[in-house]
Amino acid sequence: NAGVMQNPRHLVRRRGQEARLRCSPMKGHSHVYWYRQLPEEGLKFMVYLQKENIIDESGMPKERFSAEFPKEGPSILRIQQVVRGDSAAYFCASSPRLAGSTDTQYFGPGTRLTVL
Amino acid sequence: QKEVEQDPGPLSVPEGAIVSLNCTYSNSAFQYFMWYRQYSRKGPELLMYTYSSGNKEDGRFTAQVDKSSKYISLFIRDSQPSDSATYLCAMGRASGGSYIPTFGRGTSLIVHP
Repeated sequence: NAGVMQNPRHLVRRRGQEARLRCSPMKGHSHVYWYRQLPEEGLKFMVYLQKENIIDESGMPKERFSAEFPKEGPSILRIQQVVRGDSAAYFCASSPRLAGSTDTQYFGPGTRLTVL
Repeated sequence: QKEVEQDPGPLSVPEGAIVSLNCTYSNSAFQYFMWYRQYSRKGPELLMYTYSSGNKEDGRFTAQVDKSSKYISLFIRDSQPSDSATYLCAMGRASGGSYIPTFGRGTSLIVHP
């Protein structure tokens, strides 16, 4: 069973460009979470989605950032007009949300975004 | 004050030592308590998960939660060089039937042969 897949693993963008990060959850998982890990900081929650629905976006910056998890295909984290401060590792996690489970989140390997 | 405080280390120990990692938190709404291990350039991996005060053991790992003191610990017995990694504590709050973790900064552990 393949784990959570993220691509690309490394992404370089110039200031002002758009960045699109993709996350394919584990097979059978219907819930996706996005996190950002800045240098010298901890892992911080951004957004929690299920298919076609945002459940919790309390950690999402108000501008330039958006996320979706369509009925078909991977979840996408989109960053418009990137700035140098967006340089970070972005991790995706997925969970099965089975009734009665502890709903463990399984993390992908991350996408390392560098903004020049 | 940060919601979750964790000493970043690094913590360097000899092989075979008992390792103690700790975190404190300030938000009483946290209901879930977790420890993750993260190797360099990899995603975090869940080690231990609990939602009650007390101890939980899994092999060489023991997680301890004291809700009254808002303090959690992870003990690693018979530490091995392969345990060298960053250990992240996380406290979870309920959201939409799942939980949203707030992570500590992580403690870098080095186990030398």
